[in-house]
Amino acid sequence: DVKVTQSSRYLVKRTGEKVFLECVQDMDHENMFWYRQDPGLGLRLIYFSYDVKMKEKGDIPEGYSVSREKKERFSLILESASTNQTSMYLCASSPPGGEDSPLHFGNGTRLTVT
Amino acid sequence: GDSVTQMEGPVTLSEEAFLTINCTYTATGYPSLFWYVQYPGEGLQLLLKATKADDKGSNKGFEATYRKETTSFHLEKGSVQVSDSAVYFCAPSGSARQLTFGSGTQLTVLP
Repeated sequence: DVKVTQSSRYLVKRTGEKVFLECVQDMDHENMFWYRQDPGLGLRLIYFSYDVKMKEKGDIPEGYSVSREKKERFSLILESASTNQTSMYLCASSPPGGEDSPLHFGNGTRLTVT
Repeated sequence: GDSVTQMEGPVTLSEEAFLTINCTYTATGYPSLFWYVQYPGEGLQLLLKATKADDKGSNKGFEATYRKETTSFHLEKGSVQVSDSAVYFCAPSGSARQLTFGSGTQLTVLP
């Protein structure tokens, strides 16, 4: 079974702090994604990556950056956390295979910025 | 761009009731269609999928049929259980292998 592991389940940070959210997958998947989940808004794509050192902006990249130095690890960075970034963050991965490949999700990191 | 409209929740049903969660989408071409489920405290997991028109995806008693003419992919289950309580997301695949997620429908099944 594919395992996508997010390093923290809950995180509390202060406004202005730099925040790192880590995600590791163990199935050698090429594709990795970061979403945020907010009530009434569903999942919104922040960034994704199809290969090592490759990244592309999703629908809401402002205030975020990402890093993919190794195939199995995809990090989301909040350069200067703000209260409107309080949310549930979900990491996902998928194998190559075009649009038929389902996503495998981690259990999420609930981030609170105070 | 691609979009999806999903039935708003929350939906509350008694055990053994019939479930329908509506989903319609707009997309370029003919995307693959997915339903994901999120149980409390967990990430999303794939429930079922359909890759072409008239395909029926099924899993755990849930079914959904890819209706090209109405651009719909409604989720149904004939007899829900308490353990089906979760949030359900409809997701057509978009361009560049991205999924567009609906806003989610919270289902609560009462014993």
